[in-house]
Amino acid sequence: EVQLVQSGAEVKKPGESLTISCQGSGFSFTNYWIGWVRQMPGKGLEWMGIIYPGDSDTTYSPSFRGQVTISADKSVSTAYLQWSNLRASDTAIYYCARPLRPSAFDAFDVWGRGTMVTVSS
Amino acid sequence: EIVLTQSPGTLSLSPGERATLSCRASQSVSSTSLAWYQQKPGQAPRLFIFATSRRATGIPDRFSGSGSGTDFTLTISRLEPEDFAVYYCQQYGSSPYTFGQGTKLEIK
Repeated sequence: EVQLVQSGAEVKKPGESLTISCQGSGFSFTNYWIGWVRQMPGKGLEWMGIIYPGDSDTTYSPSFRGQVTISADKSVSTAYLQWSNLRASDTAIYYCARPLRPSAFDAFDVWGRGTMVTVSS
Repeated sequence: EIVLTQSPGTLSLSPGERATLSCRASQSVSSTSLAWYQQKPGQAPRLFIFATSRRATGIPDRFSGSGSGTDFTLTISRLEPEDFAVYYCQQYGSSPYTFGQGTKLEIK
């Protein structure tokens, strides 16, 4: 079964660092772009960026560049989303997603269940 | 950055009625690069339509997509109770691959 399994919910304080993960299975992880999408409470979907685990080529939305770091470890079929200095405004659900076709920027047909990140003092 | 504007924000209809959801882009979008997703509360989004008009696996044929250039439409021919949800369009032709703000389809 093709799936993306995301790490569990996190509760952090402002200023703390955090890394959440997204592990793929059932497909060739190195050959598909993996994207990250933010959904703030009660709000819509925001495209954050995307990484190609095969060579770690990464593209960020200008809105998120410098705010987060996207990385991947193809040896464990896992993509990561990292913050070094969390803010309350980072409180959201973060989804990882895989496009329809390998090696292509495409619609996302496989989604993780999401990781809820709560940042509160 | 391509901005996608969806309308209406909320659409109130009854089961059996026809729903028409609009997605307008600030710049031309390739017809191969426009998708629609459905999201229900507490769930991840689900791909419904890609490449403007192609249904994803398992999506019933009452759902159809159309459009070109800057104007795209998702049509649900006869609403079923399970269709009431939020729908998002997304363009994936030009980075950043932006989403619209969503249309909430609610039961009237």
